[in-house]
Amino acid sequence: AQSVTQLGSHVSVSEGALVLLRCNYSSSVPPYLFWYVQYPNQGLQLLLKYTSAATLVKGINDFEAEFKKSETSFHLTKPSAHMSDAAEYFCAVSDRGTYKYIFGTGTRLKVLA
Amino acid sequence: DTEVTQTPKHLVMGMTNKKSLKCEQHMGHRAMYWYKQKAKKPPELMFVYSYEKLSINESVPSRFSPECPNSSLLNLHLHALQPEDSALYLCASSQQIANEQFFGPGTRLTVL
Repeated sequence: AQSVTQLGSHVSVSEGALVLLRCNYSSSVPPYLFWYVQYPNQGLQLLLKYTSAATLVKGINDFEAEFKKSETSFHLTKPSAHMSDAAEYFCAVSDRGTYKYIFGTGTRLKVLA
Repeated sequence: DTEVTQTPKHLVMGMTNKKSLKCEQHMGHRAMYWYKQKAKKPPELMFVYSYEKLSINESVPSRFSPECPNSSLLNLHLHALQPEDSALYLCASSQQIANEQFFGPGTRLTVL
């Protein structure tokens, strides 16, 4: 069965610092991978997706993620954190052939002034 | 139109009430989903509709009854809910299998 692990339920960074949110997946075949952001009492917004084209994926708001098959990882980065980036971030894997997303447990990002 | 809309935004109901949640999308997506999200947890899949037919039911209690009247509309009928059913209910849609899902803003449900 597929699974997603997000290391670090809480991450704090200073404004302007690098953001790194970790995601590892387990899958017998390369899955589709996604990062979503959720602001309080709102729905999930897609940041970026990996669907086996380029391994380095660029998303909205200067976020990017790199798919590393050897490490089964899909970590999310942003060069410079902004106060508005404070939110909950979810990594998700989608099994090819089903509609199901498997979500990670989420990482709450706090940005310090 | 690239958004999923959900109504109402907030809903408070008693355990004997019957209410419905509504979700709508006009992106031509053929798959639609209901999720339940408790505080500080990831969304949990409840139902999936594909081409207006129920494709997946994640063993959801019968007090939750989904309905897909047409390809743009998804309802969730609620009856005899329990306080533990209080949560954020999210609707999502996607164009094809395993493609990215687009989420609505959710309905915050409180069961008294």
